[in-house]
Amino acid sequence: RKEVEQDPGPFNVPEGATVAFNCTYSNSASQSFFWYRQDCRKEPKLLMSVYSSGNEDGRFTAQLNRASQYISLLIRDSKLSDSATYLCVEYAGTYKYIFGTGTRLKVLA
Amino acid sequence: EAQVTQNPRYLITVTGKKLTVTCSQNMNHEYMSWYRQDPGLGLRQIYYSMNVEVTDKGDVPEGYKVSRKEKRNFPLILESPSPNQTSLYFCASTSEGLNTGELFFGEGSRLTVL
Repeated sequence: RKEVEQDPGPFNVPEGATVAFNCTYSNSASQSFFWYRQDCRKEPKLLMSVYSSGNEDGRFTAQLNRASQYISLLIRDSKLSDSATYLCVEYAGTYKYIFGTGTRLKVLA
Repeated sequence: EAQVTQNPRYLITVTGKKLTVTCSQNMNHEYMSWYRQDPGLGLRQIYYSMNVEVTDKGDVPEGYKVSRKEKRNFPLILESPSPNQTSLYFCASTSEGLNTGELFFGEGSRLTVL
């Protein structure tokens, strides 16, 4: 079983829609999780960290469900500029980062 | 400006011709790492370094070498490149002291081995 699993998509949504992605992880001891955004052929960039209590930044909300071992990313009022691949990242400690393969989002006009 | 710089950004080479991809960061980060990204496989770690003269294998180290003689530089060496090393390569760095866990990535190096 892959350590971090994501639905590759693509998720095609109209502008203004709300979209949610989930990501499952297998190491119950991992403490930190992140969502990175990656535009086509460019480097990944941190979108937000995922805290146990949830984390909201404008239109973006990230949540962690430890019981079911998944994290989620919710994007409200989607913009064309949100089109990208979203990478789920598990931090397993001592600089060990485990990347999901990414979920591709296309926001359509 | 805080950044991770990789060179070259694009390279086409032939099988067996040694090449080096350089990586330099100006943030005094102790940790640096190399990843390759292939369609459907995501980012896979090649090698990493926790500090000067300390390097270790990641998940896919075969065919690669690294060195960490200075804190800012972490070159990736392909002694005898093969077509299966055609990929998009990213260097990344971070510091435990950041507390955010954020990895800072270079812009990527797209390598094609013919």
